[in-house]
Amino acid sequence: DADVTQTPRNRITKTGKRIMLECSQTKGHDRMYWYRQDPGLGLRLIYYSFDVKDINKGEISDGYSVSRQAQAKFSLSLESAIPNQTALYFCATSDLRLTSGSNEQFFGPGTRLTVL
Amino acid sequence: DAKTTQPPSMDCAEGRAANLPCNHSTISGNEYVYWYRQIHSQGPQYIIHGLKNNETNEMASLIITEDRKSSTLILPHATLRDTAVYYCIVRPGMDSSYKLIFGSGTRLLVRP
Repeated sequence: DADVTQTPRNRITKTGKRIMLECSQTKGHDRMYWYRQDPGLGLRLIYYSFDVKDINKGEISDGYSVSRQAQAKFSLSLESAIPNQTALYFCATSDLRLTSGSNEQFFGPGTRLTVL
Repeated sequence: DAKTTQPPSMDCAEGRAANLPCNHSTISGNEYVYWYRQIHSQGPQYIIHGLKNNETNEMASLIITEDRKSSTLILPHATLRDTAVYYCIVRPGMDSSYKLIFGSGTRLLVRP
């Protein structure tokens, strides 16, 4: 099931380089999210977007920026990568269903980023 | 957001029920209990959610205590493929921010 895709899947880069991680979805969802996961820890929210004109910071947005180019696309950028940004990055999408309170988030396969 | 407490690890035998507990003693009246799991380095997968009634779907059952301060996720017949980290998350159902706050979860090992 490739409803949420992420590119690249793996990336090794050097300190100071600019990196962009891309996320695309075919689920037709309005809401998109970027998380990072460090070894042995749960996911932490970096940025989220409720629609193309709405961008919000999450818990750990410093050092990151995002762009919501279209409903289906949400990119995460590291303007100047540093080694402590080495992590697994996940994109997710969700749809709003107020009546049920449901907020199932559908996650992509992840991008493993290593900053040397 | 209400915080949750889960044991760091558990194990069970294949074919047996796996019962994963979660404490959420500060849960508010409008907050739902969600369960996700993450199979080794894959993206997390939604399992089930509930407000106050017990819930069941094709993957699992969710039992929420009457005072809503704790819940149990039940995998009725665990298989080796259920080995994963299970996250219990509490969040407002009508919260417009719709964020999920992941803790450290419970690492479930299903033994052959």
